[in-house]
Amino acid sequence: GESVGLHLPTLSVQEGDNSIINCAYSNSASDYFIWYKQESGKGPQFIIDIRSNMDKRQGQRVTVLLNKTVKHLSLQIAATQPGDSAVYFCAEYRPPSYNTDKLIFGTGTRLQVFP
Amino acid sequence: GAGVSQSPRYKVAKRGQDVALRCDPISGHVSLFWYQQALGQGPEFLTYFQNEAQLDKSGLPSDRFFAERPEGSVSTLKIQRTQQEDSAVYLCASSLAAGQETQYFGPGTRLLVL
Repeated sequence: GESVGLHLPTLSVQEGDNSIINCAYSNSASDYFIWYKQESGKGPQFIIDIRSNMDKRQGQRVTVLLNKTVKHLSLQIAATQPGDSAVYFCAEYRPPSYNTDKLIFGTGTRLQVFP
Repeated sequence: GAGVSQSPRYKVAKRGQDVALRCDPISGHVSLFWYQQALGQGPEFLTYFQNEAQLDKSGLPSDRFFAERPEGSVSTLKIQRTQQEDSAVYLCASSLAAGQETQYFGPGTRLLVL
């Protein structure tokens, strides 16, 4: 079947440490991936994206790694802060060639940051 | 400088009641999406519009669900004869154009069917 899933439902880290959130996808034809952050009571917020012709992309304190061989994504957050506490989703993009522009989301990982 | 807005933010309905959820996308955005998010789950695709054309409605769970975007801007998701399993957060997203474009999400409408 088609799925995008996450290995760990909850991740607890100490403030200042680095966080790594993992995601597996099953469709090898997927060519665009997005990480979203969702705080309680809010909609998903775009963090960073990566296309399949890249292995790594960096943003401000965040890095996304893509391993197409094993169909695995990870989101790395440097110097995790209390404001990073949220649920993180990876999403797989289904391009127009599939006659749709929909995103396929995983279940999510809850990141808890403690002092 | 508005993002995607949705109304109402919360809706309580009695089973069997019809509801209408509104989405105002970012001005000028061509694509509009509706997703359903159950508690503790990731959003699941419902339907997709490009301007006023509904190009994909494969995610709508039943014929009780209907969406429209008559003028290519505001969209309404209507659920007829609501059932308890319809309780969820309904998210709207928009993107500037078709293709691999970032989707920007609204805050969602939390629907509770009693």
